[in-house]
Amino acid sequence: GENVEQHPSTLSVQEGDSAVIKCTYSDSASNYFPWYKQELGKGPQLIIDIRSNVGEKKDQRIAVTLNKTAKHFSLHITETQPEDSAVYFCAASRGGGADGLTFGKGTHLIIQP
Amino acid sequence: EPEVTQTPSHQVTQMGQEVILRCVPISNHLYFYWYRQILGQKVEFLVSFYNNEISEKSEIFDDQFSVERPDGSNFTLKIRSTKLEDSAMYFCASKWGEEKLFFGSGTQLSVL
Repeated sequence: GENVEQHPSTLSVQEGDSAVIKCTYSDSASNYFPWYKQELGKGPQLIIDIRSNVGEKKDQRIAVTLNKTAKHFSLHITETQPEDSAVYFCAASRGGGADGLTFGKGTHLIIQP
Repeated sequence: EPEVTQTPSHQVTQMGQEVILRCVPISNHLYFYWYRQILGQKVEFLVSFYNNEISEKSEIFDDQFSVERPDGSNFTLKIRSTKLEDSAMYFCASKWGEEKLFFGSGTQLSVL
């Protein structure tokens, strides 16, 4: 089955700086890669996703890049703000209708004021 | 904005007891899921459900677990005889098609 590795487990950046979180996956058939943000006591919330026919996708301060050959994808957050502090999870799936997501272990992002 | 709702938010039970966790997925969604998250760990897939039957299940989803869509709106997870290691946050999720998966806020299950 799919295995998703995520790094780092904790990331502390100064407010206004950029943050990058990286994931690798093992199943070459995976073609859908979402990123979720989880705040304390809440469920994961989708913030951005990318499919394997696209190399990069951007939504305001958030971008995701995908290198299908190397089987890795990254989340980039620019101009970080205090409200970006949360746990971020990457995930992968084959994208089929009922296919479950395989999650990484999460990155605790801390924005230092 | 439509959302996935889960009840209860917290459930405390004794080991060996049965529990039912309830979810109301987003109304026009077709695919339904249960995931769990043990404290401090990653979110793990349990089961997916489509067209009134289980589509896929993980190794975690053994004979103690079952899912049901008893009517047009609810989606339930039953644990027949709870164990201490079933203590976790359980998330329900739903999606319309090959699109974005939306999660509920979870039910924190504590087995004593």
